Amino acid sequence: GAGVSQSPSNKVTEKGKDVELRCDPISGHTALYWYRQSLGQGLEFLIYFQGNSAPDKSGLPSDRFSAERTGGSVSTLTIQRTQQEDSAVYLCASSPQGLARETQYFGPGTRLLVL
Amino acid sequence: AQSVSQHNHHVILSEAASLELGCNYSYGGTVNLFWYVQYPGQHLQLLLKYFSGDPLVKGIKGFEAEFIKSKFSFNLRKPSVQWSDTAEYFCAVNPLRGSTLGRLYFGRGTQLTVWP
Repeated sequence: GAGVSQSPSNKVTEKGKDVELRCDPISGHTALYWYRQSLGQGLEFLIYFQGNSAPDKSGLPSDRFSAERTGGSVSTLTIQRTQQEDSAVYLCASSPQGLARETQYFGPGTRLLVL
Repeated sequence: AQSVSQHNHHVILSEAASLELGCNYSYGGTVNLFWYVQYPGQHLQLLLKYFSGDPLVKGIKGFEAEFIKSKFSFNLRKPSVQWSDTAEYFCAVNPLRGSTLGRLYFGRGTQLTVWP
């Protein structure tokens, strides 16, 4: 497809379970970002991948959160032992080279609800 | 703490009214500035951006924004809104620090509702 895709669209899980969220960036984009949007909050940066460089993980809220990017393309965000405060929309974005002036192209998001 | 502030949480206008949405940031030094918009049921998309040159930038659908460095502001404007402008608007800043290159800091968003 032409845009950033994310799956699943919606995820309902029980507290304490692990979840995996997937992001497929625009083909050829070397930079990939994960953000989180909680109810009434702005978008909160989580993690940033740029090519083969070490990812910027400074936005991950706890060690229950991790992400990887395989083959410089698809990324998976994993949340272990989910808590109710993890409920949010998780957005993925990509950009061509990760340069500061570039537009970031966002996916539709995954809406996570932790019961 | 450094931040991006959008002062209006929800703005309600009638069609043809003028719009100004405020955005202030607290990062020093050189910044890149963005406004993103999310129409109902759609992805977040870029409305306009500023990184250098003329501080008045024009974006899609008749929107413009003015960067005022002395006020740390990047307010969004449109002279005459339409019903189709109903959406949520997000201001974002890239503070251009080496370790955070590419990373955006977002405001909380402003929901704009335009009545026909």
